Amino acid sequence: QSVLTQPPSASGTPGQRVTISCSGSSSNIGSNTVNWYQQLPGTAPTLLIYSDYQRPSGVPDRFSGSKSGTSASLAISGLRSEDEADYYCAVWDDSLYGPVFGGGTKLTVL
Amino acid sequence: QVHLVQSGAEVKKPGASVRVSCKTSGYTFTDSHMHWVRQAPGQGLEWMGWINPKTGSTNYAQKFQGRITLTTDTSIRTAYMELSRLRSDDTAVYYCARDRWRDLANWGQGALVTVSS
Repeated sequence: QSVLTQPPSASGTPGQRVTISCSGSSSNIGSNTVNWYQQLPGTAPTLLIYSDYQRPSGVPDRFSGSKSGTSASLAISGLRSEDEADYYCAVWDDSLYGPVFGGGTKLTVL
Repeated sequence: QVHLVQSGAEVKKPGASVRVSCKTSGYTFTDSHMHWVRQAPGQGLEWMGWINPKTGSTNYAQKFQGRITLTTDTSIRTAYMELSRLRSDDTAVYYCARDRWRDLANWGQGALVTVSS
């Protein structure tokens, strides 16, 4: 069971906006920034969002992150077929002194 | 451009050890911690530990304490993960990932380790 809670699945049609939630606690999300990783089928994860809402260069602005209290969200607007992937939230855990991951959300583009 | 290139797939018997390598380029090797993350078939991501290549200091997830050893060879900019006393539930893809500042900015392509008798 993951420390961070994500819905196991999400879906949307092309052009729609979808959001994926990530719920934690005051000891993780409540005290550190959240990162999001995208894992396309059969490939390694890549950093999608860091420090709650920042996008690495090359990541389209269709992807956005936000955080409030002990929860974070990833929003994808203008959904495209190539967005079909697994998405993981992660946050630094001060007691582990390492990252903890959510269980992942499988996004299906209908 | 940062690249992390991992060694190939391995098949091991239960009780054996495995060592996975991660050769890096495109950044100053000693400036970034290196993490190791694994993913069992059809499962999520699981953090295993990190190493500071500059000092050699390590931090391991409690689950792997006593079985995992992370090392680096700075002369060839390569990180290594060794896992001992393998069990069938250690079958997974093992990733190295470069830490930029508590985010895993770059990942290797992964190395599949299969544990089977």
